[in-house]
Amino acid sequence: NAGVTQTPKFQVLKTGQSMTLQCAQDMNHEYMSWYRQDPGMGLRLIHYSVGAGITDQGEVPNGYNVSRSTTEDFPLRLLSAAPSQTSVYFCASRWQSEAFFGQGTRLTVV
Amino acid sequence: GEDVEQSLFLSVREGDSSVINCTYTDSSSTYLYWYKQEPGAGLQLLTYIFSNMDMKQDQRLTVLLNKKDKHLSLRIADTQTGDSAIYFCAESMGSSASKIIFGSGTRLSIRP
Repeated sequence: NAGVTQTPKFQVLKTGQSMTLQCAQDMNHEYMSWYRQDPGMGLRLIHYSVGAGITDQGEVPNGYNVSRSTTEDFPLRLLSAAPSQTSVYFCASRWQSEAFFGQGTRLTVV
Repeated sequence: GEDVEQSLFLSVREGDSSVINCTYTDSSSTYLYWYKQEPGAGLQLLTYIFSNMDMKQDQRLTVLLNKKDKHLSLRIADTQTGDSAIYFCAESMGSSASKIIFGSGTRLSIRP
């Protein structure tokens, strides 16, 4: 049972490039979320989804897009990367009380 | 607003109890959580409390919830060096408790 799988683990992008961070879960959870973690700021919610076809904005959605075409996958897209998006990104999936987190993607934008 | 607040640092002596405090804003939160993050790692759920409870104990961990004051605390008894980490308080919010909002984390360091 893989849980929540994020890829890649590390990525360096140039300003203006685009990329997609992948997140997949095999627990059939309805709720999935993306967070970014910056020093001294904890985890901030970027986007979340309560089921396939349904997404909503979190605390810091600007510069990011998401889609949820299947229950298993919740990719996060950066259309034009900026240095301010340098961060560690965590995907989470949840059923009722407990949220399961992926191991994170460390993204650097130069 | 969506605000979960914690102090940034706590230092305790090995063997003493650690108490990490948190305040939150949404009185309709369904679940309140404590997560632990060790250096370079993801988040590990330590414990959670349902909003209609005021206390939960799990081995060395005790969670106290004061709904009137919107205050949550985590007590770690007999603190060990392995407890050094960042501890995050979080609350579930929104319809069907669909969002989880985190505090900024409290870095716990252990003195010998």
